Formats: sequence, structure tokens, C-alpha cells
Amino acid sequence: RKEVEQDPGPFNVPEGATVAFNCTYSNSASQSFFWYRQDCRKEPKLLMSVYSSGNEDGRFTAQLNRASQYISLLIRDSKLSDSATYLCVVNPYSSASKIIFGSGTRLSIRP
Amino acid sequence: EAQVTQNPRYLITVTGKKLTVTCSQNMNHEYMSWYRQDPGLGLRQIYYSMNVEVTDKGDVPEGYKVSRKEKRNFPLILESPSPNQTSLYFCASSFQKYNEQFFGPGTRLTVL
Repeated sequence: RKEVEQDPGPFNVPEGATVAFNCTYSNSASQSFFWYRQDCRKEPKLLMSVYSSGNEDGRFTAQLNRASQYISLLIRDSKLSDSATYLCVVNPYSSASKIIFGSGTRLSIRP
Repeated sequence: EAQVTQNPRYLITVTGKKLTVTCSQNMNHEYMSWYRQDPGLGLRQIYYSMNVEVTDKGDVPEGYKVSRKEKRNFPLILESPSPNQTSLYFCASSFQKYNEQFFGPGTRLTVL
């Protein structure tokens, strides 16, 4: 089993739709989690940190389910500009353990 | 402006010709890292550094070297590049390992 798994997509949804991605992780000791957005051939940029209590930023909501070991990202009222690849990142607290990036979920919003 | 810079942005070279990709951050971050990104393989960590003079291997360190003599700089060295090192490379930094990372704009390297 991969340490971090994401559905690669692509998700192709109409503008205004709600879309959700999940990211599962295998290391139960993982402590910090992030969602990044990456546009084609550009650098990843932080979208949201994911906290145990969940967090919301405008149309974006991130949640953490420790029992089932996954994080989720919900995008409401999707815009054309949301088209990108979304990467989840799992970060264990142990200094000896590596930061793991998911391979990304591609999202395409159509007019 | 807080940023991570990389140079060069694009490089075409030939097998065996040593090259260095520079990375610099102005945020006083302790943690710095190099990644390569290849289609279908996602981001893979090459080397990382927890602080000055402290570096360690990531998932794919073979064929690469790094150094961290100053806090702000973390160059990536390819002593004898080979075609399988053709890739998109990103440098990243964060305050500490557990914090969000800031990425440089990327270096697209082609080794012929």
C-alpha cells in the first residue's frame, strides 16, 4: 500500500458544482497535513493546512479523519480558475520520517 | 517579498557535464528540501536539510549532492548528469520540517 494515496482523476465537473477529493495515508503517527494546488508546470502553492477540527477558507473546506486515516478537500461553487492539480501532503512528527506528497488529483472545471 | 528563488529556470546540458542549481530563501527558514517531479511519479524528495550543515537523503538521492553552508542557500549539485535526471526540479523551504513549505519556481533540466 502506498504511504499516501490520491485518486488521480481527472475530475471533470461543470462550473458551480461541488467537488470533493480524499487522500488516504498509512502512517498513523502522521501529525500535520496540507493541501497544495499546482498549476501546469508551476510550483505547488499552499492551499490549506488541515487541522483536527477541520477548517474552512471561503469555498474550500478541509477535514481530517484520524480514525480512518484520510484527509478531504471540498470545493463549493467551483470556478473555472479552480482547474488545477491538488496535492495532499502528510508530515510525520518524527524527524527521521519523510514528508510524503500524494501524486495529485487533477481537476478540470468546464463552463 | 518572501520568496524562494532558483537558478537557472531552464537548462539543457550534456551527459557528464557537472552542474549546480542554486536555491535561496529570504524567510530565515531552517528546513530546506529538493524535489524532482516526473509525469506519473509525483513529487519525490531528493535531499533535505534541517539546518545549516545538517543534510540527509530523501527518497531518490542517487546522482545528487547538496550542501548547506549558510541558512539561506541550498544548492543542488549533479556531478555527472545522466539522461535519467531529466526532470522538473523544485526547491522548497519551511520554518521547520512540520510547517507548510514554500516552493521555488522550478528548474526544468534536460540532459542529452
